[in-house]
Amino acid sequence: NAGVTQTPKFQVLKTGQSMTLQCAQDMNHNSMYWYRQDPGMGLRLIYYSASEGTTDKGEVPNGYNVSRLNKREFSLRLESAAPSQTSVYFCASSVSENQPQHFGDGTRLSIL
Amino acid sequence: AQSVTQPDIHITVSEGASLELRCNYSYGATPYLFWYVQSPGQGLQLLLKYFSGDTLVQGIKGFEAEFKRSQSSFNLRKPSVHWSDAAEYFCAVDSGTYKYIFGTGTRLKVLA
Repeated sequence: NAGVTQTPKFQVLKTGQSMTLQCAQDMNHNSMYWYRQDPGMGLRLIYYSASEGTTDKGEVPNGYNVSRLNKREFSLRLESAAPSQTSVYFCASSVSENQPQHFGDGTRLSIL
Repeated sequence: AQSVTQPDIHITVSEGASLELRCNYSYGATPYLFWYVQSPGQGLQLLLKYFSGDTLVQGIKGFEAEFKRSQSSFNLRKPSVHWSDAAEYFCAVDSGTYKYIFGTGTRLKVLA
């Protein structure tokens, strides 16, 4: 029972490189989310997808793009990575609005 | 603006002692409230949730939380802490339109 799967688990990039973080869920959830976690700041929402075919900005969308490829998959893209984007990135999914979110194990991204 | 405050960054308790982690929120309507736990290198796991009704909610791993509207609080409690409870705990408010607001977390250390 995989739940939410994120790939890769670790990645090191150089400033200016591009990268796509992958996320897939097997719970038939409608909504998916991308967060970043930084020390002392909790989790902050980057983008979310309420349902297949829709995406919306969260609290910190600058520098990122997303694609809801299908109901299962929601990817996050960094077009030109910056050191400020060094963080741990979490993907989550939920059945719908106001329902508990289920999280993946995260992608640890370092940008030099 | 909605917000969640976890006033304790670190808490240390002895194994077998009781535990209370504080969470205060600022939200206009009746909120959807959650507590999550994060072990090192892992994603967030849902401990419990409050949507409505009984203000004392039970969760997994022996945790409970009490919603107090008059104090805008949703504190997490456990009668007897186990060494395996050492982790970081996050309180979250669902502010509607798919957006969680997380507190900055409380890191729990358990002494043998």
